[in-house]
Order: sequence, then C-alpha cells, then structure tokens
Amino acid sequence: EGQLMESGGAVVKPGGSLRLSCAASGFKFDEYTMHWIRQVPGKGLEWVSLIQWDGKTSEYSDSVRGRFTVSRDNTKNSLFLQMSSLRTEDTALYYCAKDGGTLLPASDYFFDSWGQGTLVTVSS
Amino acid sequence: AVQLTQSPSSLSASVGDRVTITCRAGQDISRGLAWYQQTPGKPPRLLIYDASNLRGGVPSRFSGSGFGTDFILTISSLQPEDFASYYCQQYETNPYNFGQGTKLE
Repeated sequence: EGQLMESGGAVVKPGGSLRLSCAASGFKFDEYTMHWIRQVPGKGLEWVSLIQWDGKTSEYSDSVRGRFTVSRDNTKNSLFLQMSSLRTEDTALYYCAKDGGTLLPASDYFFDSWGQGTLVTVSS
Repeated sequence: AVQLTQSPSSLSASVGDRVTITCRAGQDISRGLAWYQQTPGKPPRLLIYDASNLRGGVPSRFSGSGFGTDFILTISSLQPEDFASYYCQQYETNPYNFGQGTKLE
C-alpha cells in the first residue's frame, strides 16, 4: 500500500512561504492521484489539494486556492506543496496521502495511505 | 461545499458494546463516503470506502451502510484498540471534506 514521508515543515512568519515535500515508496507512484490534507493539532481534518497521476490536473480547497500550488515529480516519486502568503490559520500538521482508488490510474479521492505529517506553524 | 454532520460528537462505551456513528450529508453524495479511524499521534487509517466496502485487513466487526445522504458506521463488538476518533469523508464533490469527528471513549 505504500509508504509516505513528509518533510519541510517549519515555523514561518505570516506572509511567508514554505515548500513541503513528500517522498513515496512501495507503490507505483505515477499511477495514483496524490493529496495534501491538514489537521490543526487536536482538531478535525481538512482536505487541501490533489494532483492527478500525470500532474496535469490539480484541485484546491477554497481556503488555499491562489496561495498554494501542488506539484509532483514522477521520476523521483515525490509530491510537493508550495505554500505562499501564509496565514496564522494555515498552522497545522500537513499530511500527504495516496488515493485509494483501485481502478488505475487511481482518482477516487479517498485516502488509503498517509504519511506521519509535517508541522507548519505560522506565527509572528 | 457538501456539509457533513457526524453524530454524536463523543460517545462513551465499553468493551463488547455495539456502537453506531452517523454521518449525514447536506446533499446527495451517492455512495461516495469513506470512514477513517484516528488514534492520538497517528495519521488516520481508512476503514470503509464507497459507503460499505471494508478495506482489506480491517476487522470484520467494522461495517458501513448508507446511500445518498445518510450513512452509518457500526462497530459490532468494541475492542480496546477501537477507542479512537472516527471521521467520515465525502468524495463526490470538491472540497472532499470530512465530518467533524466522533470521539469514542
């Protein structure tokens, strides 16, 4: 089912930028839509973004559209989230997740493998 | 956005109990609903997809049902490792959002 490992989380000031990465292994990365989901510690889950298997289609939640950009490098089995114009309300643990679809290329938009998350703190 | 309302928000139960958690969608989402379990300090774990399909490796005491707007997660006989938070998630329409969660204590 695959392993995912996020990195790049940090403390950043409001208005700043940050790039998150997710390294994937154990599955054929270029056959799966990939997602970013975030969670304020102790709170609920919020889907953030997806990018389809070939990198040609991406979607965003209203809360990040225009500020975040998702990308992927299928040659390196890697997923990225470029975050700009960061706000205090972006503070959260950011997870990357693999699409759970079984018909390949998978694009069902539920999540069957998750990383451990990387913490982004936006604070002055 | 499709609003998902889970009930209850928290639930006290004991080992061996049968437990049901409800997720109501604000509009018809067909069978596009998944259930996840999350324990403290861990990422969520997929339990059910397409409303009623049990993910491989998930114990058969977990089951899901529903279609359209009303969905139920049932745990037939609670085990100690089941005390966790549970979330529903719809994937019919962007944003592919989650319910607010149910904490099982």
